[in-house]
Amino acid sequence: AQKITQTQPGMFVQEKEAVTLDCTYDTSDPSYGLFWYKQPSSGEMIFLIYQGSYDQQNATEGRYSLNFQKARKSANLVISASQLGDSAMYFCAMLFTNKLIFGTGTLLAVQP
Amino acid sequence: GAGVSQSPRYKVAKRGQDVALRCDPISGHVSLFWYQQALGQGPEFLTYFQNEAQLDKSGLPSDRFFAERPEGSVSTLKIQRTQQEDSAVYLCASSLVTGTSSYEQYFGPGTRLTVT
Repeated sequence: AQKITQTQPGMFVQEKEAVTLDCTYDTSDPSYGLFWYKQPSSGEMIFLIYQGSYDQQNATEGRYSLNFQKARKSANLVISASQLGDSAMYFCAMLFTNKLIFGTGTLLAVQP
Repeated sequence: GAGVSQSPRYKVAKRGQDVALRCDPISGHVSLFWYQQALGQGPEFLTYFQNEAQLDKSGLPSDRFFAERPEGSVSTLKIQRTQQEDSAVYLCASSLVTGTSSYEQYFGPGTRLTVT
């Protein structure tokens, strides 16, 4: 069965520092996609970054990068140069048969 | 509009009442999804439409939940005889492309349902 695990319920980071949010996944399907979404207090899910299982390079989108280690089944999100506006809930998700399977999320607090 | 819209944003229902939640996807998006997000949890899949066809409803928790998308655009999620455990945020998402693992789902702001 497909499963996403996020083991960090909450994280603190100082403004301008980098932070890594952990995500591990479980699937027997060789073809899959991994996503990270940000959910601020307003509630909307905002797409951040995508990694395909066959992608050779780690995905990057501006200050976001995905540390994809296929053998370890991990897809950690790295946010560089944290900003106060990065404070939010972050969800890792896997695409399986057209639906997203989400982890339980990590609440990130950026401190000035 | 530019994004996915949902209405109402907030809904309070007395136990036993029926509710209808509306989703307007991004124009031209083929696929539409409904998710349920309980407090402090990640969203959980409810159902999926490709155009007007409901291709997957495996996540609907009971036969009190019903979704439709009759013309392949706007969708309505209906919950009959609401129960307290139905209290959650209901998120709608749409996407342009199907059949590939790389498509992005765009989410609406959600409807927060509280059953008293």
